[in-house]
Amino acid sequence: QKEVEQNSGPLSVPEGAIASLNCTYSDRGSQSFFWYRQYSGKSPELIMSIYSNGDKEDGRFTAQLNKASQYVSLLIRDSQPSDSATYLCAVRKAAGNKLTFGGGTRVLVKP
Amino acid sequence: GAVVSQHPSRVICKSGTSVKIECRSLDFQATTMFWYRQFPKQSLMLMATSNEGSKATYEQGVEKDKFLINHASLTLSTLTVTSAHPEDSSFYICSARPDRRELAGGPDTQYFGPGTRLTVL
Repeated sequence: QKEVEQNSGPLSVPEGAIASLNCTYSDRGSQSFFWYRQYSGKSPELIMSIYSNGDKEDGRFTAQLNKASQYVSLLIRDSQPSDSATYLCAVRKAAGNKLTFGGGTRVLVKP
Repeated sequence: GAVVSQHPSRVICKSGTSVKIECRSLDFQATTMFWYRQFPKQSLMLMATSNEGSKATYEQGVEKDKFLINHASLTLSTLTVTSAHPEDSSFYICSARPDRRELAGGPDTQYFGPGTRLTVL
């Protein structure tokens, strides 16, 4: 079992719809959770961080964390073609200071 | 805030030469920085954790004598790929974790540099 798992996609979403991305992690003691967006050929950029159970909203993005289920998700509302990218889930485990990244989910928003 | 720069953005070199990549945090201090490598269509692979004032911590399978890391100050870490070979061609990306937790993004957040694309002929 991978430490951080994501569906590789592609997740195809019509423009204006909601894109729903999921991420599961194996270390129950994980403390911090992040979503990054990476355009092709570019480096990752931070979208959101989340640390406690529940929802956290920032503009069109909502992160959801459920530590009991070891699950973190990202919703993108009113998806735009510019949202087409690979979305990386990252987790800081209980021990250490590094982040463990999932393989990423590729999202395609079609006009 | 929380800007990280990398230099150079692109480098092409001959096999056997050494290449140095710089990573700078421009508006914050970072005792800890990280170096990643990413091959086409693959996810990020952590190579090492760079710590100011002490030796870097390398991930399993990463040759520390080939990938030399120096974290000379709280805003600068360098990665030197020694005796580069074509198989070292990749996208190298650094990240920095701000010492000040109250920066936007919260604790443990890493901010990435724009990356360096290395091509070894």
